[in-house]
Amino acid sequence: GENVEQHPSTLSVQEGDSAVIKCTYSDSASNYFPWYKQELGKGPQLIIDIRSNVGEKKDQRIAVTLNKTAKHFSLHITETQPEDSAVYFCAAYKAAGNKLTFGGGTRVLVKP
Amino acid sequence: DAGVIQSPRHEVTEMGQEVTLRCKPISGHDYLFWYRQTMMRGLELLIYFNNNVPIDDSGMPEDRFSAKMPNASFSTLKIQPSEPRDSAVYFCASSPPGPRSDTQYFGPGTRLTVL
Repeated sequence: GENVEQHPSTLSVQEGDSAVIKCTYSDSASNYFPWYKQELGKGPQLIIDIRSNVGEKKDQRIAVTLNKTAKHFSLHITETQPEDSAVYFCAAYKAAGNKLTFGGGTRVLVKP
Repeated sequence: DAGVIQSPRHEVTEMGQEVTLRCKPISGHDYLFWYRQTMMRGLELLIYFNNNVPIDDSGMPEDRFSAKMPNASFSTLKIQPSEPRDSAVYFCASSPPGPRSDTQYFGPGTRLTVL
């Protein structure tokens, strides 16, 4: 089955700096890659996603890049703010089986 | 839209008791997923439904767990009897029909503690 590795597991940045989270996946059949933000006591919230026919997508301060050849994708947060502090999960989706496989999560702390 | 609704938000019960978790998916969504989240295992898919029919229950840990979806707007996950190792946060998610069926939206979760 699909395996998604996520790094780093924790990330501490100064407010205003950028944060980058990287994920790799194993199954070349995966074709959809969402990112979720989970705040304490809440459910995962979809923040951005990318499909396999696109290399990069941006939405205000967040962007995602995808390298299908290398089977890795990354989340970039620019101009970080304290409210960006949360756990972020990457995931890979494969249509066969309709399954979303999650990475282990990255705990991001933005220090004021 | 109200989003995915789950109840209760917190449940504390004693070992051996029956526990029922409830979920209302987003209106118009025809896929419904149940996940379990623990520190050790992360987010695990337990079961999912399409048009109220269970499609894949391979993630259900054992026969103590059962899930139903009697109609398009309601699903339950039942644990009977409950055990301390079932303590976790249980999430329900739903996704729409068509080309965006891969996009899952999560509810707020139910934190289950089994003493």
